Amino acid sequence: AQTVTQSQPEMSVQEAETVTLSCTYDTSESDYYLFWYKQPPSRQMILVIRQEAYKQQNATENRFSVNFQKAAKSFSLKISDSQLGDAAMYFCAYRKTSGSRLTFGEGTQLTVNP
Amino acid sequence: DTGVSQDPRHKITKRGQNVTFRCDPISEHNRLYWYRQTLGQGPEFLTYFQNEAQLEKSRLLSDRFSAERPKGSFSTLEIQRTEQGDSAMYLCASSLRRDRGTDTQYFGPGTRLTVL
Repeated sequence: AQTVTQSQPEMSVQEAETVTLSCTYDTSESDYYLFWYKQPPSRQMILVIRQEAYKQQNATENRFSVNFQKAAKSFSLKISDSQLGDAAMYFCAYRKTSGSRLTFGEGTQLTVNP
Repeated sequence: DTGVSQDPRHKITKRGQNVTFRCDPISEHNRLYWYRQTLGQGPEFLTYFQNEAQLEKSRLLSDRFSAERPKGSFSTLEIQRTEQGDSAMYLCASSLRRDRGTDTQYFGPGTRLTVL
C-alpha cells in the first residue's frame, strides 16, 4: 500500500522569506502523480501544485515550486516570498496514474509571521 | 465555472440517528469522490463514482455508510445509526477523467458532522 509521510507537523516562516515543506512517499508504482494541497482554516482544500512522476522537470507555479527526487521518493514544496495568505495546513498527496484515490500525508501547519 | 458545493456545511446529530449529506460536483466532471477527515489528519478516501457507477469503496466504509450518484450528477452520502466515532469532516471532490489519468481532484468545503 502507498503511504505518504510529512515529518514536519508545524513550520513557521517570516513574511517575504522562503520555506520548504518536506514529504516522502512509498510506492512500488512507476507511474503516478504527486500533489500539494493547501487547506486554510475553515476553508476548502485548494490545489497548489502537481507533479507527474514521468517528468524529470520540477513543477513550478508562481511562488511555489517542488523538488521531486524520484529515486529518493521525496517531494518537497518550496514557497518563496511567503505571504500572510500562505498560512494554512499543507497536505502532500499521491495518486497512481491508473488509480482514483488520493493518499494524503498527515499535513504540515504553516505559520507566516509578519 | 462554479466549484464543488456541499450541503449542509455543519450537522449536529445524536448517536443512533441517520444523516445524509449532499455533494454537487463541478458540472461536466465525470468522477466524484468522498473523503473523511478527522481533526489534525489528512483526508482518507471513502469511495468514488465514475458517472453513476460506484467503482471503489474503502474498507473505512462500513455497512452503515451508503453513497449514491443516481444520475451521474450530484451524490449523497448517508450514515445510518451514527456513532461518536463518525464525527469528522466529510469532503467531496470531483474531477474530469479523460485519458492517462491526468485529472485533478477539486474539493468542496466539506460537511462537518458532530455526533453527540
